[in-house]
Amino acid sequence: EDKVVQSPLSLVVHEGDTVTLNCSYEVTNFRSLLWYKQEKKAPTFLFMLTSSGIEKKSGRLSSILDKKELFSILNITATQTGDSAIYLCAPETSGSRLTFGEGTQLTVNP
Amino acid sequence: GAVVSQHPSWVICKSGTSVKIECRSLDFQATTMFWYRQFPKQSLMLMATSNEGSKATYEQGVEKDKFLINHASLTLSTLTVTSAHPEDSSFYICSAAGLAGVEDTQYFGPGTRLTVL
Repeated sequence: EDKVVQSPLSLVVHEGDTVTLNCSYEVTNFRSLLWYKQEKKAPTFLFMLTSSGIEKKSGRLSSILDKKELFSILNITATQTGDSAIYLCAPETSGSRLTFGEGTQLTVNP
Repeated sequence: GAVVSQHPSWVICKSGTSVKIECRSLDFQATTMFWYRQFPKQSLMLMATSNEGSKATYEQGVEKDKFLINHASLTLSTLTVTSAHPEDSSFYICSAAGLAGVEDTQYFGPGTRLTVL
């Protein structure tokens, strides 16, 4: 059975802090790993990682994948209150199938 | 690009009625569509996978006779919750996968909040 574990489950920080969110996985027929941000509605796409060791960046967010150790991290620097959301990681397997972790609830206080 | 819409965005119905939710890929052809359900404070759980023109593949524990999925075209899939009961109240989200651009992955609709009274 495919398994995804995210940590921490919940995180409260102050604006300007840097956070690191973790995702470890055990799946069969791995293709890629995706990160999503979910606020009140459906998840919005952040990153897709297919290769180990290559960092993807988008503004203050960055992510990297380690396919040997089966984990990924999502970094957010200089956090803002608008970053408050649930961050979901999901390994993608054959057939474009995603298995979601429980998510990390990030709260950024002013 | 890669926009997925869902309709309705919310629906309230009486117990025993059926509810249809539409999922459309607006600017790309979706070879595969996925239906998820999300209960409060829980993550997304995959219910079924559908490919255009063929029967949907349901996840273990999801009743195919209760959750009818039709993927009639490359841009439209529907989920019908038949004889809905209060325990079916949830947030239903669809996603579409296809050749939407550089990153061939799933793009999510905005979700439909179903409340069964």
